[in-house]
Amino acid sequence: GDSVTQMEGPVTLSEEAFLTINCTYTATGYPSLFWYVQYPGEGLQLLLKATKADDKGSNKGFEATYRKETTSFHLEKGSVQVSDSAVYFCALSDRPLGQAGTALIFGKGTTLSVSS
Amino acid sequence: EAQVTQNPRYLITVTGKKLTVTCSQNMNHEYMSWYRQDPGLGLRQIYYSMNVEVTDKGDVPEGYKVSRKEKRNFPLILESPSPNQTSLYFCASSSHRKASTDTQYFGPGTRLTVL
Repeated sequence: GDSVTQMEGPVTLSEEAFLTINCTYTATGYPSLFWYVQYPGEGLQLLLKATKADDKGSNKGFEATYRKETTSFHLEKGSVQVSDSAVYFCALSDRPLGQAGTALIFGKGTTLSVSS
Repeated sequence: EAQVTQNPRYLITVTGKKLTVTCSQNMNHEYMSWYRQDPGLGLRQIYYSMNVEVTDKGDVPEGYKVSRKEKRNFPLILESPSPNQTSLYFCASSSHRKASTDTQYFGPGTRLTVL
């Protein structure tokens, strides 16, 4: 079945460092790809998404490019801040919500800790 | 403000004592869903609902019930909670536009502990 694999954390960085969180996926079709972020004590928020190959999603300085040839959707940010400390989830959706089964498949999450 | 709300946010209970976690959304979304989040396992879907009176099982439905009598509400019911249901629960909703690109909006979570 479809699956998402993320790099295991925690990832610990100093402020202004470059961030990469790797995400690869397995899917039979042409999924949409998402990054969700969970700040301490809060629910999940959509960070960015890409719906087809070569699309780049971006938000709040974060970027991720849908790479079909490498089945990857790595999250990057050029200069992290302490406020970026959170858990980041990569996810894929391979079917419309109207079809049976789990529409959104999550990776296990990567914890990012940024120190000043 | 568009949002998904859950209550309670924190709950400690004992084995076998029936409980309900409420979920409500104010975005007129047709699709609603429940997930549980466990360390090292990510999020797993429990149940989902495509519309009023339409519900179906997700990946881990055992020990849970849901109902969808109104469009805005989707309560999660644990008839006889057990310690292995100790988890962080999230409700989510989405407009049903029949596309895999649809975004799900998540509630703040309910942390449940079953002793």
